[in-house]
Amino acid sequence: EAGVAQSPRYKIIEKRQSVAFWCNPISGHATLYWYQQILGQGPKLLIQFQNNGVVDDSQLPKDRFSAERLKGVDSTLKIQPAKLEDSAVYLCASSLSRLNTGELFFGEGSRLTVL
Amino acid sequence: DQQVKQNSPSLSVQEGRISILNCDYTNSMFDYFLWYKKYPAEGPTFLISISSIKDKNEDGRFTVFLNKSAKHLSLHIVPSQPGDSAVYFCAAIHPTGNQFYFGTGTSLTVIP
Repeated sequence: EAGVAQSPRYKIIEKRQSVAFWCNPISGHATLYWYQQILGQGPKLLIQFQNNGVVDDSQLPKDRFSAERLKGVDSTLKIQPAKLEDSAVYLCASSLSRLNTGELFFGEGSRLTVL
Repeated sequence: DQQVKQNSPSLSVQEGRISILNCDYTNSMFDYFLWYKKYPAEGPTFLISISSIKDKNEDGRFTVFLNKSAKHLSLHIVPSQPGDSAVYFCAAIHPTGNQFYFGTGTSLTVIP
């Protein structure tokens, strides 16, 4: 079974530039999450999708971050314009369903460095 | 507001000994708890979980204990092996919305 795919693995940009990250969850997983993990901290939820609908985006900085999951499968997270404090690893995760109390399956993450 | 806390950023243990990783939470509504393990340059992987209706769950060398009254859980690894060296995150699930809240992680080093 293929895991959660993310790209790019690494990205370096200057502040005020834009960046986009892509995630393809495990086939059949209805719930998709984007997490931000800053060095030395635990993953922080940015947005949670159930199929193509948003369940929770309360911690997404909507003035600069946006995410979509148009067909209920893969998802894109965009940052525009980037700030220095956006330097982090962006983790995508998926699970079978919103009510699943089992595990999240994480991708390898996309490491963003903002200079 | 950090609802899940791991107060020890790092832990070193001799191979063969017991590793004990601790986690505290503040929200009594959390009803499911998980431990994830993360190697460098990889995403976290699921290790073990426990429902709030239990106080212990065991899987091989890994045991998770839950003390609801103290809002505390711990992960025991016995015996510890060098391959266990990684960052361990505890996570709690809030039943409404199935949101996962992660702790800040504990970096475990098992010394051969």
